[in-house]
Amino acid sequence: KQEVTQIPAALSVPEGENLVLNCSFTDSAIYNLQWFRQDPGKGLTSLLLIQSSQREQTSGRLNASLDKSSGRSTLYIAASQPGDSATYLCAALEYGNKLVFGAGTILRVKS
Amino acid sequence: NAGVTQTPKFQVLKTGQSMTLQCAQDMNHNSMYWYRQDPGMGLRLIYYSASEGTTDKGEVPNGYNVSRLNKREFSLRLESAAPSQTSVYFCASGQGAPQTEAFFGQGTRLTVV
Repeated sequence: KQEVTQIPAALSVPEGENLVLNCSFTDSAIYNLQWFRQDPGKGLTSLLLIQSSQREQTSGRLNASLDKSSGRSTLYIAASQPGDSATYLCAALEYGNKLVFGAGTILRVKS
Repeated sequence: NAGVTQTPKFQVLKTGQSMTLQCAQDMNHNSMYWYRQDPGMGLRLIYYSASEGTTDKGEVPNGYNVSRLNKREFSLRLESAAPSQTSVYFCASGQGAPQTEAFFGQGTRLTVV
């Protein structure tokens, strides 16, 4: 059974700092890995999707990497801003189009 | 283009009551999903439908039933609500095999008293 773990569970940083969120998965037989953002009381917004054949994806200040062999993905946020404060979730897509989620990292960027 | 629409947004039920959560997507996606989100536990898959006419159990299907009414709509039914089903429910859809990006609705906050 696929298990997805996110570390840390919560993170508080000053504005302007670069930060890394971690995601690990137990079964490397995944098709892709997706990072989402969730604001309080809201739905999930897709940030980046990395196909299993890719090593990384970039969108603006966000960079996500994937290492299937070690079962790890990271989300790098450069020059963090208070508007980046949210919960970040990663999800691994496995056989049968099933998305398995981690519990998320709650990020707070202080101004 | 509304994406994924869920109704209702909020609901309070008494123990033992039944209700149906509705979900519709306008992106012509084949796959649709129902998740529940509880504090500290991320999202857990209840049921999913890889295509019109098919449904499969996810991680936590007990106490729920689903119907894939057509390609657009995927409903989740609670036959006899229990306090343990208090949660936020999310519907999602996606396209492709394997699927590419998944899109989520805004959620239904359900409280069972």
